[in-house]
Amino acid sequence: AQRVTQPEKLLSVFKGAPVELKCNYSYSGSPELFWYVQYSRQRLQLLLRHISRESIKGFTADLNKGETSFHLKKPFAQEEDSAMYYCALGTQGGSEKLVFGKGTKLTVNP
Amino acid sequence: DGGITQSPKYLFRKEGQNVTLSCEQNLNHDAMYWYRQDPGQGLRLIYYSQIVNDFQKGDIAEGYSVSREKKESFPLTVTSAQKNPTAFYLCASSKMNTEAFFGQGTRLTVV
Repeated sequence: AQRVTQPEKLLSVFKGAPVELKCNYSYSGSPELFWYVQYSRQRLQLLLRHISRESIKGFTADLNKGETSFHLKKPFAQEEDSAMYYCALGTQGGSEKLVFGKGTKLTVNP
Repeated sequence: DGGITQSPKYLFRKEGQNVTLSCEQNLNHDAMYWYRQDPGQGLRLIYYSQIVNDFQKGDIAEGYSVSREKKESFPLTVTSAQKNPTAFYLCASSKMNTEAFFGQGTRLTVV
């Protein structure tokens, strides 16, 4: 069965510190991985998609098939990064039947 | 704003009643989805539809029903059979093989 694990429910860092939100997945096929973010009072929105290999708002994420991981990283956290982050697994080549992790609430302290 | 719209934002339901949540999109997306979001549970897929007049059950479909009569609309009915309906419901849409866009959500409370 497909599964996404985000081991940290809460993560707190200070402004300027590096941050890493962990995501591991379980899927026998070829995965499509996403990071979604939900800022306070805003709708859930896409942050990163692994096939794009982009850096968005300073965040990057690399798919490691050997470790079945897709950790989200940012070298210098900002207060505006405080939000709920969800890792998601697409199992049919894209957004079809996205399987979400339980989310990590990131708080960046001044 | 355009895109994908859910209504109402807040909904109260009495025990034993059915209630329908609306989801409309003007993005010309083929696929639409309903998720349930509970604290500490992440998002769980209820139903999804990849084409008009067709839909599939997700992981927690029991007690819910949907229809997809038009490409733009994917209403979700929470039936009296749903044992624990109080939750935040999110609708999303996507083109095939692209990102999903989410609505603002509907918070349903059983009173």
